[in-house]
Amino acid sequence: EVQLVESGGGLVQPGGSLRLSCAASGFTFSNYNMNWVRQAPGKGLEWISYISGSGVTVYADSVKGRFTISRDNAKNSLSLQMNSLRDEDTAVYHCTRGRADFDYWGQGTLVTVSS
Amino acid sequence: DVVMTQSPLSLPVTLGQPASISCRSSQSLVHSDGNTYLNWFQQRPGQSPRRLIYKISNRDSGVPDRFSGSGSGTDFTLKISRVEAEDVGIYYCMQATHWPLTFGGGTKVEIK
Repeated sequence: EVQLVESGGGLVQPGGSLRLSCAASGFTFSNYNMNWVRQAPGKGLEWISYISGSGVTVYADSVKGRFTISRDNAKNSLSLQMNSLRDEDTAVYHCTRGRADFDYWGQGTLVTVSS
Repeated sequence: DVVMTQSPLSLPVTLGQPASISCRSSQSLVHSDGNTYLNWFQQRPGQSPRRLIYKISNRDSGVPDRFSGSGSGTDFTLKISRVEAEDVGIYYCMQATHWPLTFGGGTKVEIK
């Protein structure tokens, strides 16, 4: 069974940093591209970052230069390093599988940016 | 960026009646590889999104056949042939043809 489990969310002050993780299981992680998608409270879905199986990355303009996506294929793990956090980064962050598939989603981890 | 415009924003439906959601993109979603990467997702209250339809009209495993997707180019539709209580939620279209990947704003389906 495919599972994606996010962790690392929490309360952080504006300007602070946080690192999210996504533990993958039930499939050959290295064979799949992965994404991070976020959802602000009461709002819609926003794609923010992609990484290919070999490490090619793409970012939304809203996070470019502040967030870094990475993966450890040996540990079946996806990460999102978030720096210079802003109020508007407050959201539930989901990891999801595939370049265009988005066929499996984690339950999400809540990041709250507030002073 | 490709703008995905969904309508209506809210869709009150009587149980057993059909429902239809429109999704229009600001440019063609036909990829250079010939595929059209248009997905539909359902998000029930308090849950993560779940993919229903991929590449316009392919239904995911376990998705009831009352859900169907159609369209081409820039104009797409998700139809529910007979709405059931479990279909309440927000539905999103998403294009994965062009970077950045973008979602529609969502359509809230509720029971009258």
